[in-house]
Amino acid sequence: GESVGLHLPTLSVQEGDNSIINCAYSNSASDYFIWYKQESGKGPQFIIDIRSNMDKRQGQRVTVLLNKTVKHLSLQIAATQPGDSAVYFCAETGGSYIPTFGRGTSLIVHP
Amino acid sequence: GAVVSQHPSWVICKSGTSVKIECRSLDFQATTMFWYRQFPKQSLMLMATSNEGSKATYEQGVEKDKFLINHASLTLSTLTVTSAHPEDSSFYICSAPRGANEKLFFGSGTQLSVL
Repeated sequence: GESVGLHLPTLSVQEGDNSIINCAYSNSASDYFIWYKQESGKGPQFIIDIRSNMDKRQGQRVTVLLNKTVKHLSLQIAATQPGDSAVYFCAETGGSYIPTFGRGTSLIVHP
Repeated sequence: GAVVSQHPSWVICKSGTSVKIECRSLDFQATTMFWYRQFPKQSLMLMATSNEGSKATYEQGVEKDKFLINHASLTLSTLTVTSAHPEDSSFYICSAPRGANEKLFFGSGTQLSVL
């Protein structure tokens, strides 16, 4: 994942719009990727995962896309709701199940 | 429902005192648990890996005498912040892998404020 930064990138969207959150990873050996959602004052919550033998995986209102060529991961949230407001982290693992977390993106959904 | 329980949710203590944080796996056994530290608006930083029945493995730069980890049973790991100082104030989160895929589940976190 990306190194820890001083400030979280922020994505502001209107309720009902689709959101796309991006993440670049650095370890080409990583073979398992996870997206987590973290609400203020709480621990991360698993959203969706994808293995390196796939390039797309869909869940309920969420889709993860993996581009191994450019080491890029994205999370798409359809029909974004105010309850989706949170910080979203991508995480990668390679060989072990201890994830390395990216810097996170703060999603703000305006009603 | 939660599969990893962390307690307390928040604690305020005086400088120089020690604080213990508990992490429990609910309805499953965890031979390994992980402790993270998170500063405001920053990512999670792995502090140490807690191993049941053996010594914890600490990440580089984490003082093992400062952050004591005990994994006394297959469902409980504790992190004790010894002789706490204001710079130890942070959000501490534990996690445990569960299932065949060893998916990580996180506790709700503990906000530590050292006065």
